[in-house]
Amino acid sequence: GQSLEQPSEVTAVEGAIVQINCTYQTSGFYGLSWYQQHDGGAPTFLSYNALDGLEETGRFSSFLSRSDSYGYLLLQELQMKDSASYFCAAVRGNNRLAFGKGNQVVVIP
Amino acid sequence: NAGVTQTPKFRILKIGQSMTLQCTQDMNHNYMYWYRQDPGMGLKLIYYSVGAGITDKGEVPNGYNVSRSTTEDFPLRLELAAPSQTSVYFCASSPGGREETQYFGPGTRLLVL
Repeated sequence: GQSLEQPSEVTAVEGAIVQINCTYQTSGFYGLSWYQQHDGGAPTFLSYNALDGLEETGRFSSFLSRSDSYGYLLLQELQMKDSASYFCAAVRGNNRLAFGKGNQVVVIP
Repeated sequence: NAGVTQTPKFRILKIGQSMTLQCTQDMNHNYMYWYRQDPGMGLKLIYYSVGAGITDKGEVPNGYNVSRSTTEDFPLRLELAAPSQTSVYFCASSPGGREETQYFGPGTRLLVL
């Protein structure tokens, strides 16, 4: 089976930095992906870590530690448009995704 | 490219009715997926397909069926709708192989009363 744990909600001001953590327990683990979902919208891909370490994509960075079954998404220089839910997802064989419950980020002026 | 399209956007069903949720992608992706998302929760995999003619169960397949006769289309069939199937349904596609990114459709909101 699989489970992914994420804390539920974070509020931060514009320009701040937010870290969203994810611990996972899943069989057939290939890597950890992160998706963003705005209210009423579809999930959109942010990043993927297959190997341990940090991946940086613009203002967003993602980290994976396979030995700790842990990853995080770092959102820097927060903007109002970053208000959304963020999901970690364990990637399994055939690119199947097992999602966590998500973390809602609310950015305030 | 339109990407992944889903119809209908919203539907109300009575208990015991059946319906088919349509999903089409124009990216020539081999892999396609159906997820459901309940309020405040993450997505759960219902069924997936790695190519035309090949389908397999995900985490929560009970009450659903799928078919994949073409690369482009991956319809999801609900038989005997139940209130527990009230959810938002997302279809997604992926090139497969080393490309793990999934591209999601806009979703179908289903209410079973």
